[in-house]
Amino acid sequence: QVTLRESGPALVKPTQTLTLTCTFSGFSLTTPRMCVSWIRQPPGKALEWLARIDWDDDKYYNTSLETRLAISQDTSKNQVVLTMTNMDPMDTGTYYCARLRSVGSAFDIWGQGTMVTVSS
Amino acid sequence: DLQMTQSPSTLSASIGDRVTITCRASQSINNWLAWYQQKPGKAPKLLIYKASTLESGVPSRFSGSGSGTEFSLTISSLQPDDFATYYCQQYNVYYSFGQGTKLEIK
Repeated sequence: QVTLRESGPALVKPTQTLTLTCTFSGFSLTTPRMCVSWIRQPPGKALEWLARIDWDDDKYYNTSLETRLAISQDTSKNQVVLTMTNMDPMDTGTYYCARLRSVGSAFDIWGQGTMVTVSS
Repeated sequence: DLQMTQSPSTLSASIGDRVTITCRASQSINNWLAWYQQKPGKAPKLLIYKASTLESGVPSRFSGSGSGTEFSLTISSLQPDDFATYYCQQYNVYYSFGQGTKLEIK
């Protein structure tokens, strides 16, 4: 059974750096063509893709946010980490990680999401 | 940026109705389109990928069609569990989502 679970702080202050961890099971990110992405959703709004990391450690970012994002993986722990710098109240929302079973595929399994509020 | 536009934003329908949601891409995405269902407080669930392929375990009353820039999701006979928000998503050039269609009970 494939599962993903996001973890991280529920509250961050403006200008701080957010670090989120996606811990997964039921698949390996060393499997060729496997990928994990981060997606976020402000309250009551649509989904926005943030970043993707592939089995070969290639990384891709939303061009409008790429200067603030970094994605990395720890294959020994089955974890993918997303950092976002210079947090702003507009970054408030639910952050999801999701698996892609292949490079050219949709997000087939999602984590439950973690709510992040940016406020002083 | 590749934009995805869904219509309608809200749809009111009754149990047993046939409903269709449309999604338009700002440029051709071939058939690299997915549809997701999201219920309040839950993560999105993949329903359809590659425009018309039903994800394993998804009821056959859901179907998708289209190619290029115009796509649609049809639910052939609405069930109580289908009232939710639906999103289309392109994965031809990175990833972008539509703004969502909220399907409400009439």
